[in-house]
Amino acid sequence: EIQLVESGGGLVQPGGSLRLSCAASGFTFSDYNMNWVRQAPGKGLEWVSYISTSSSIIYYADSVKGRFTISRDNAKNSLYLQMTSLRDEDTAVYYCARTGGLDVWGQGTTVTVSS
Amino acid sequence: DVVLTQSPLSLSVTPGQPASISCKSSQSLLYSDGKTYLYWYLQRPGQPPQLLIYEVSTRFSGVPDRFSGSGSGTDFTLKISRVEAEDVGVYYCTQSIYFPRTFGPGTKVDIK
Repeated sequence: EIQLVESGGGLVQPGGSLRLSCAASGFTFSDYNMNWVRQAPGKGLEWVSYISTSSSIIYYADSVKGRFTISRDNAKNSLYLQMTSLRDEDTAVYYCARTGGLDVWGQGTTVTVSS
Repeated sequence: DVVLTQSPLSLSVTPGQPASISCKSSQSLLYSDGKTYLYWYLQRPGQPPQLLIYEVSTRFSGVPDRFSGSGSGTDFTLKISRVEAEDVGVYYCTQSIYFPRTFGPGTKVDIK
């Protein structure tokens, strides 16, 4: 079964850091570009970041540029999002999603930034 | 950034009746390879989004044939031929030609 499982979310104070992980299974992870997409409570979808198969191409939304870092470890079938200088507005469910078509999504991990 | 506009933003449909959602893009989504990279997703309550339609009109694996997509360039439409109770949720369009990747605001569909 093709599956993406996010982890690492939690409650963090403004200015703090978190590292999200996304474990992939059921497909050849190294063959697929990957994305992080988030959804603030009661809001729509916001794309956060993209990484190519070899990590050679990376993009970020302006809202997170300079604060978030996407990475992947193809040997471990894992995608990561290092989040620093967190703000209240980063509070959201964070999803990892496969390819440009976002054809497979995880269940999401919740990040709450609050003092 | 590419702006995607959806209409209507909410829709209440009688089961068995058709429904239609429009997605308009501020720029053409036709790429140099001849493909148009417009996608449709359904997010059911409490669930992650799921891909329904890719490249304007191709149904993703397992998607019922009551869902269809059409359009070109900047104007696109998702149609549900006969709405069922399980179709309740928020429908999003998105494009993958340009970064940043952008989504429409979503269209909430419920059952009368």
